[in-house]
Amino acid sequence: DAKTTQPPSMDCAEGRAANLPCNHSTISGNEYVYWYRQIHSQGPQYIIHGLKNNETNEMASLIITEDRKSSTLILPHATLRDTAVYYCIVRVPNNYGQNFVFGPGTRLSVLP
Amino acid sequence: GAGVSQSPSNKVTEKGKDVELRCDPISGHTALYWYRQSLGQGLEFLIYFQGNSAPDKSGLPSDRFSAERTGGSVSTLTIQRTQQEDSAVYLCASSLDGSSYEQYFGPGTRLTVT
Repeated sequence: DAKTTQPPSMDCAEGRAANLPCNHSTISGNEYVYWYRQIHSQGPQYIIHGLKNNETNEMASLIITEDRKSSTLILPHATLRDTAVYYCIVRVPNNYGQNFVFGPGTRLSVLP
Repeated sequence: GAGVSQSPSNKVTEKGKDVELRCDPISGHTALYWYRQSLGQGLEFLIYFQGNSAPDKSGLPSDRFSAERTGGSVSTLTIQRTQQEDSAVYLCASSLDGSSYEQYFGPGTRLTVT
């Protein structure tokens, strides 16, 4: 699986958009980009995933560059409850289990 | 509906003792994963179950670690002769099947080896 690089921490003002970057310059053509987050003292929670098209759901938007070497997770209106560690993972999906490799992630602090 | 549950929530044990950690996945989920998270670190994959079989045990750190799953449901992770470096939060996740990207995590068991 391709390696990802994320900033260790970011701050965002409540109500503003949080833009979390992820670099995956060695990504291969069939690897997807997945985002999970982990709120303090809880297990990780799935947010969104994509291959090459931009994706949006009720939680967030995922913007993937045309060369797929980087992506950005966007939380459009961050709230205090979005304070968490955000993990960017790239992986080829298969039918034999998705043993995700969670790196150190980005610790997002949403400030009042 | 009920999510993934794990027990105990906290476990303190003496070095050298054996411990058993339990995971109850979401009903109907055939895939089950164990991860561990050391203090301030990311998650480390341990083992994946599809039904009762474990096609991927590649993350188990030593032969002191073992896991089983019965009835396609409950799973138990056993650590024998615990060491201080085994101290971590052990997380269990389940998903609909092995191809599903959305894993549902339990709250974890915090293991402290003294």
